[in-house]
Amino acid sequence: NAGVTQTPKFQVLKTGQSMTLQCAQDMNHEYMSWYRQDPGMGLRLIHYSVGAGITDQGEVPNGYNVSRSTTEDFPLRLLSAAPSQTSVYFCASSYDTSGANVLTFGAGSRLTVL
Amino acid sequence: EDKVVQSPLSLVVHEGDTVTLNCSYEVTNFRSLLWYKQEKKAPTFLFMLTSSGIEKKSGRLSSILDKKELFSILNITATQTGDSAIYLCAVRGNTGKLIFGQGTTLQVKP
Repeated sequence: NAGVTQTPKFQVLKTGQSMTLQCAQDMNHEYMSWYRQDPGMGLRLIHYSVGAGITDQGEVPNGYNVSRSTTEDFPLRLLSAAPSQTSVYFCASSYDTSGANVLTFGAGSRLTVL
Repeated sequence: EDKVVQSPLSLVVHEGDTVTLNCSYEVTNFRSLLWYKQEKKAPTFLFMLTSSGIEKKSGRLSSILDKKELFSILNITATQTGDSAIYLCAVRGNTGKLIFGQGTTLQVKP
């Protein structure tokens, strides 16, 4: 089992460029989510999905798009990167949204926007 | 709106001390509260709490939930330098999403 796989691990962008952070899980998890982590801010939820074809906004969705065309994949798109999006991004998933499920994290992607 | 508040935000102790980390929350139709430890990488799972008053324990770490007062505590006894980390609390309500608090940064000095 690979668990939750995020790519790339590191990325440097210029302001205005676009990119996609990839997230894939092989655990047949229904719930997938993206967080960003900034110093002193904990983990802030960007977008989440409770199943294929269903996505919803989290706490800080502006500037990011997501889609969930398959159960396994949940890419995060930055359409026009801004320096404020410099952060560490984590993808995380759980089997479903019941109270009995633990969130499993990917290794993280460090993004720098110049 | 779902909300999780952790306190203190940072803490410095010496090896052997006991620490108590706090997590209070507001969420619609509570499902679970989770504690994670984060060193210089992805968070790792510590505890999941769903019922009030039942202590979860793992070695020197323990946690308990009070659903009436809407908080949880994480206790670490006989702290070691390896306990230095960010401790994160997260809550899941009826929307299914998990919301995290700001985290508590613990530094344990030799």
